[in-house]
Amino acid sequence: GNSVTQMEGPVTLSEEAFLTINCTYTATGYPSLFWYVQYPGEGLQLLLKATKADDKGSNKGFEATYRKETTSFHLEKGSVQVSDSAVYFCALISGGSNYKLTFGKGTLLTVNP
Amino acid sequence: DTAVSQTPKYLVTQMGNDKSIKCEQNLGHDTMYWYKQDSKKFLKIMFSYNNKELIINETVPNRFSPKSPDKAHLNLHINSLELGDSAVYFCASSPGGRSTDTQYFGPGTRLTVL
Repeated sequence: GNSVTQMEGPVTLSEEAFLTINCTYTATGYPSLFWYVQYPGEGLQLLLKATKADDKGSNKGFEATYRKETTSFHLEKGSVQVSDSAVYFCALISGGSNYKLTFGKGTLLTVNP
Repeated sequence: DTAVSQTPKYLVTQMGNDKSIKCEQNLGHDTMYWYKQDSKKFLKIMFSYNNKELIINETVPNRFSPKSPDKAHLNLHINSLELGDSAVYFCASSPGGRSTDTQYFGPGTRLTVL
């Protein structure tokens, strides 16, 4: 079956530090890959996505590249801000799964001023 | 305009009661979902409907019954609530039909069973 493994954290960084959150996956076929973000007390928002190998998704300074050879989709940001404090979820949808999202366990990021 | 809305936002109830959570989307999407987020933040699919037809029913107790009166609404009814049902329930919608589609989430309903 499909699965997503991401570093669980929590991750605590100082403002302007570099962020990496690792994500690897197991899936049948060629999945689409997503990063969702959940700010405190809110629902999930799509941060970025990539739908085929070597695609790079980017948004709000965050980037992730779909690496088929390493089955990875690591999230990076060059300079984090306090407002980036949230829980980040890596997820996938694979063909034949009836389009359900399979999520990793989430990574809590706290950015201190 | 809210794209995916849920009511209520908070629900506190006693064990054994029956409760419903409502979800509406105004995005014109064909597919809607219910996800459960447990106390450790883990998210898992419960149900999915496409054009009012049930297409995903994960291993959820049959005390949970989704109902889709039209493709803009997907409600969740829970009978005989148990302590373990305490969680945040998220509704989502997507255009439907493609694995590349983005799913749009509602704000969540925090259910507390006492």
